[in-house]
Amino acid sequence: AQSVTQLGSHVSVSEGALVLLRCNYSSSVPPYLFWYVQYPNQGLQLLLKYTSAATLVKGINGFEAEFKKSETSFHLTKPSAHMSDAAEYFCAVKNSGGYQKVTFGIGTKLQVIP
Amino acid sequence: DTAVSQTPKYLVTQMGNDKSIKCEQNLGHDTMYWYKQDSKKFLKIMFSYNNKELIINETVPNRFSPKSPDKAHLNLHINSLELGDSAVYFCASSQDISGDQYFGPGTRLLVL
Repeated sequence: AQSVTQLGSHVSVSEGALVLLRCNYSSSVPPYLFWYVQYPNQGLQLLLKYTSAATLVKGINGFEAEFKKSETSFHLTKPSAHMSDAAEYFCAVKNSGGYQKVTFGIGTKLQVIP
Repeated sequence: DTAVSQTPKYLVTQMGNDKSIKCEQNLGHDTMYWYKQDSKKFLKIMFSYNNKELIINETVPNRFSPKSPDKAHLNLHINSLELGDSAVYFCASSQDISGDQYFGPGTRLLVL
């Protein structure tokens, strides 16, 4: 079975500060990993994904994430937070190979303080 | 043009009623999904269709019945609505069964 754990349901950062949202995964086979962003009253939008190519993945809006197999982690970072980054962020995992359902974490709400 | 659209956006109804939510995608994708997001923002897959055929049916009460009249549409009918059905329901689509999923804006269902 696959699962993801997002540490911290709420994270607050000052505008211009580093954003770090944590995600650890559990998977019995090599996983595909995703970060999605959900703005208020909207659907989820794919930020970035890891599919066994480069371990450092760059996404939209200046976000990136690094796959670390030894730590079973896929943390999301952004060097400098903008007010527009305030949203809910979801880490997700699915097993590679054929069709596998996507399992989402509980989400981390990012607050950006002016 | 909206890639994945859902109607209605908001739905308020009484317990025991039957309601439908519609989803349409204009991306030419083969696979469509229904997800339920509860009040704590937890997102869980309910159903998945590929080329109009059901490929995933999670442990969802049989009061929920998806229908895919064609590859571009996946509707969700809910019978005998219960308070616990209150949630945001998201439709999504992907190019194929392993592709990236694109989400609709959600339908906010409130059962009174």
